[in-house]
Amino acid sequence: GEDVEQSLFLSVREGDSSVINCTYTDSSSTYLYWYKQEPGAGLQLLTYIFSNMDMKQDQRLTVLLNKKDKHLSLRIADTQTGDSAIYFCAEKGFQKLVFGTGTRLLVSP
Amino acid sequence: EAGVVQSPRYKIIEKKQPVAFWCNPISGHNTLYWYLQNLGQGPELLIRYENEEAVDDSQLPKDRFSAERLKGVDSTLKIQPAELGDSAVYLCASSSPKGNTGELFFGEGSRLTVL
Repeated sequence: GEDVEQSLFLSVREGDSSVINCTYTDSSSTYLYWYKQEPGAGLQLLTYIFSNMDMKQDQRLTVLLNKKDKHLSLRIADTQTGDSAIYFCAEKGFQKLVFGTGTRLLVSP
Repeated sequence: EAGVVQSPRYKIIEKKQPVAFWCNPISGHNTLYWYLQNLGQGPELLIRYENEEAVDDSQLPKDRFSAERLKGVDSTLKIQPAELGDSAVYLCASSSPKGNTGELFFGEGSRLTVL
């Protein structure tokens, strides 16, 4: 079945880079996504990558996709305290998104 | 453009009571989703609508949960009767067939506490 896994917690200092990892199971996924959830809010799309790409850069965000290992990562450069949130990766299965359990990122000054 | 609107934001009820959540998707989005988010977990799909038709309700506990999307716009999700384990955040999302990335736009959620 579909199962998206992430590490639960990551703590970094302001200005450092953050790397959040995710493994997924559906090799037929066409798109893979990173969503951000701030406290008390819904999920907001940060970025996505099409399955025929292996890297995508969007300002401070870099997404790496390893299809062979079904591994997705999100790198946030120059992490700021405002980046503190929960980050979910998601794969597009058949007609729906399947989300991981989320990684809580804590950025300390 | 207004985003996905949900109400109420918070609801506290006693077990065995009924509860209903309402969602207004982004204008023009014909696909609407209800997701359940338990504490410390990612969202899990409950039901997906294409216009007014429920095309995927396989994860909806039909003994106590029901949903409707009359006229293919607003939707309501109902729980009757509520149980302690239903305490969670209920997220509504919508998407447009015109978008080629499959992006879902989420509301802020309705947080349910069952006492």
